[in-house]
Amino acid sequence: DQQVKQNSPSLSVQEGRISILNCDYTNSMFDYFLWYKKYPAEGPTFLISISSIKDKNEDGRFTVFLNKSAKHLSLHIVPSQPGDSAVYFCAASEGHDMRFGAGTRLTVKP
Amino acid sequence: DADVTQTPRNRITKTGKRIMLECSQTKGHDRMYWYRQDPGLGLRLIYYSFDVKDINKGEISDGYSVSRQAQAKFSLSLESAIPNQTALYFCATSDPGQGTTDTQYFGPGTRLTVL
Repeated sequence: DQQVKQNSPSLSVQEGRISILNCDYTNSMFDYFLWYKKYPAEGPTFLISISSIKDKNEDGRFTVFLNKSAKHLSLHIVPSQPGDSAVYFCAASEGHDMRFGAGTRLTVKP
Repeated sequence: DADVTQTPRNRITKTGKRIMLECSQTKGHDRMYWYRQDPGLGLRLIYYSFDVKDINKGEISDGYSVSRQAQAKFSLSLESAIPNQTALYFCATSDPGQGTTDTQYFGPGTRLTVL
């Protein structure tokens, strides 16, 4: 029973363009949402988060949008850079119970 | 130096063997976690510990046990390894006192193969 789903296993974009990664969840009790980035042979690293009381959080080139009514969040990367190529995991938590999506592999082409 | 370290980084073992994966952290966090990652499934929680005396089962604890030897150390054991425990294992830590609910910090992972 996957409570957090990332339906696109991969995404390819051109350098300088926008990357949009999507995530859906089923548990309405989740109150905190995160995006992690993972390079090969490394552990996931925290990228950006958003509380359920907000609908947008921005940090430099990265913006996370939360649509609670649709149980959907997205990560926008503008402009995309080749160094952004990685696997991106979305996660949702209710207290200590954190659930992860399967990940989306982003490739940014020069 | 890395804040969260895992040993070994890679391990190949045979069915039925006992295996221990170790995690150490220098972040001073009270909470520690063990996850496994399988293709197409993301990360799933095996066990978590909120302090040395507090151990809790996660989503997929069957076949695993843990030991919290100190605030900085959290070990995961496979008492009798089986092939479907072949996966990438991650340790993580968090500190809810920072005000950002359960942002977790991960180690580099241990790739375990059970033949």
